[in-house]
Amino acid sequence: QQQVKQSPQSLIVQKGGISIINCAYENTAFDYFPWYQQFPGKGPALLIAIRPDVSEKKEGRFTISFNKSAKQFSLHIMDSQPGDSATYFCAASKGLTGGGNKLTFGTGTQLKVEL
Amino acid sequence: DAGVTQSPTHLIKTRGQQVTLRCSPKSGHDTVSWYQQALGQGPQFIFQYYEEEERQRGNFPDRFSGHQFPNYSSELNVNALLLGDSALYLCASSLVGTKKETQYFGPGTRLLVL
Repeated sequence: QQQVKQSPQSLIVQKGGISIINCAYENTAFDYFPWYQQFPGKGPALLIAIRPDVSEKKEGRFTISFNKSAKQFSLHIMDSQPGDSATYFCAASKGLTGGGNKLTFGTGTQLKVEL
Repeated sequence: DAGVTQSPTHLIKTRGQQVTLRCSPKSGHDTVSWYQQALGQGPQFIFQYYEEEERQRGNFPDRFSGHQFPNYSSELNVNALLLGDSALYLCASSLVGTKKETQYFGPGTRLLVL
């Protein structure tokens, strides 16, 4: 059972454009939603994360929009650059006592930013 | 500040063999999680170790086992290797005590089973 569905599978954006990646989750117990960026041959790196008590979080060119009632969240990359070309994963977790809980990942979106 | 380190970087094994992968967490972290990432897929949670005990476990068979040492480093052992075990194995570290969710990933170990 895939608990986090991610789309699109791949995305091509022109330099300076906006990249949008969407995720939907099923488990309403999830309470932490991070986005990870992964370059070939590297491990995933945390980009930005949100909790369901806010609808939007912005860090630099990266914004997460969160819709709790629809059980959806999305990543927006403003002013996309060729260096942003990578695979992006959404994820979700639910809290046990303490932090660093099991992450359930989406299937990934391969982003290519063209000049 | 050293990040998460993993060894070896690459490994080739044959079916039926056993393998041990190693992970050192980010300085100051006390928890290690292991993930399996098949080609073109998102990482899948295997298990997590905290205070030298398995704290959470994903949907993986008993062939997958682990250990955490007093210095917080960890090992992932896979017995009776199958072709389908070929994947990138990722280690992530975090700090349970502060209730912060952030997990930092290492570069992974690429395992190929022939």
